[in-house]
Amino acid sequence: GQNIDQPTEMTATEGAIVQINCTYQTSGFNGLFWYQQHAGEAPTFLSYNVLDGLEEKGRFSSFLSRSKGYSYLLLKELQMKDSASYLCAVRDRGYSTLTFGKGTMLLVSP
Amino acid sequence: NAGVMQNPRHLVRRRGQEARLRCSPMKGHSHVYWYRQLPEEGLKFMVYLQKENIIDESGMPKERFSAEFPKEGPSILRIQQVVRGDSAAYFCASSPERGATEAFFGQGTRLTVV
Repeated sequence: GQNIDQPTEMTATEGAIVQINCTYQTSGFNGLFWYQQHAGEAPTFLSYNVLDGLEEKGRFSSFLSRSKGYSYLLLKELQMKDSASYLCAVRDRGYSTLTFGKGTMLLVSP
Repeated sequence: NAGVMQNPRHLVRRRGQEARLRCSPMKGHSHVYWYRQLPEEGLKFMVYLQKENIIDESGMPKERFSAEFPKEGPSILRIQQVVRGDSAAYFCASSPERGATEAFFGQGTRLTVV
């Protein structure tokens, strides 16, 4: 089975940097995903890591350490529109399904 | 290129009725996944389908729930004899192949059982 933990809530200020952590214990691993979900909307793909290290994409970066079962999503130059839930998800060895954490609700204030 | 289309966006059913949720994947995608999101909970995998085949239904409740993805037309998630506990947001995602690095989600169907 899979167990994924991430903080329930975080707050940050516009223009700042925030790091959202995710730890996982899995019986199989074939990639870690981060999604953004605004209230009442579809999850939107942000990043994918399968090898250790940092993947950078604009203001967003994602890091993975497979030996530690750990990932983080780094958001720079925060904007008000970044207020959303951020979902960490692990794909199983079968390449098919994603197991999601409960999400981290990020509130960006002026 | 239209995204993943789900309908209806909102569905209200009385206890004991049937609910049918539809999902049209993105053009060129033949892999469909259904997830359920309960209030204050994460997305939970339900079923993975390819055209005319159920690949993995390990997340589906054993009773009242079924899914199909026919050769023609959308994928359907069917819930028979709905109960209040079925109230949730149901999301569909699609990908062009197994193991794709990205799956695209639809806007979801919010089912309310009264």
